[in-house]
Amino acid sequence: NAGVTQTPKFQVLKTGQSMTLQCAQDMNHNSMYWYRQDPGMGLRLIYYSASEGTTDKGEVPNGYNVSRLNKREFSLRLESAAPSQTSVYFCASRETGDEQYFGPGTRLTVT
Amino acid sequence: QQQVKQSPQSLIVQKGGISIINCAYENTAFDYFPWYQQFPGKGPALLIAIRPDVSEKKEGRFTISFNKSAKQFSLHIMDSQPGDSATYFCAASTMIKAAGNKLTFGGGTRVLVKP
Repeated sequence: NAGVTQTPKFQVLKTGQSMTLQCAQDMNHNSMYWYRQDPGMGLRLIYYSASEGTTDKGEVPNGYNVSRLNKREFSLRLESAAPSQTSVYFCASRETGDEQYFGPGTRLTVT
Repeated sequence: QQQVKQSPQSLIVQKGGISIINCAYENTAFDYFPWYQQFPGKGPALLIAIRPDVSEKKEGRFTISFNKSAKQFSLHIMDSQPGDSATYFCAASTMIKAAGNKLTFGGGTRVLVKP
């Protein structure tokens, strides 16, 4: 039981490049979330998916798109990366209870 | 505009001492207040949480105190141990289903426990 897994662990992009961050969970959870973590800012919600087939914007969605591919997988896409998107990205999932389970994160640097 | 404000940003405590982290929120619709613990290179993990119908919740050495009228809550770590050295985040959300249980996080507190 791996919980929430994220790939890649590290990535360096040049300004304007695109990439997709992958997230998968094996807990059969309905809800999934993408956050970004920046020093002093805590974690901020980018997008979330309450259930398969639905997605909704969070606090900081600009510059990102998401796809809820199936119940297990929720991907985050940067179409044209910018230095301001340098951050650590966390995926999380939740069932009907309160607790969100977080993955190990992807550290992204945009130069 | 940060809806959940956390202080201090960092603190150093001696082994056996008490660590206290404070959070204040603005949105009166919040009705679920968790604390997450994060070790370097790892994702956050739920430590303890409280709902506003109680003023205090204790789990082992960790206690949440909640003041609804002041819109403040705090985490107390008793008998702090070097293994408690981590970053702690307070958070808040509304448990209304339609709101999606979206967490709003404080800025984090880096705690260092010296042996």
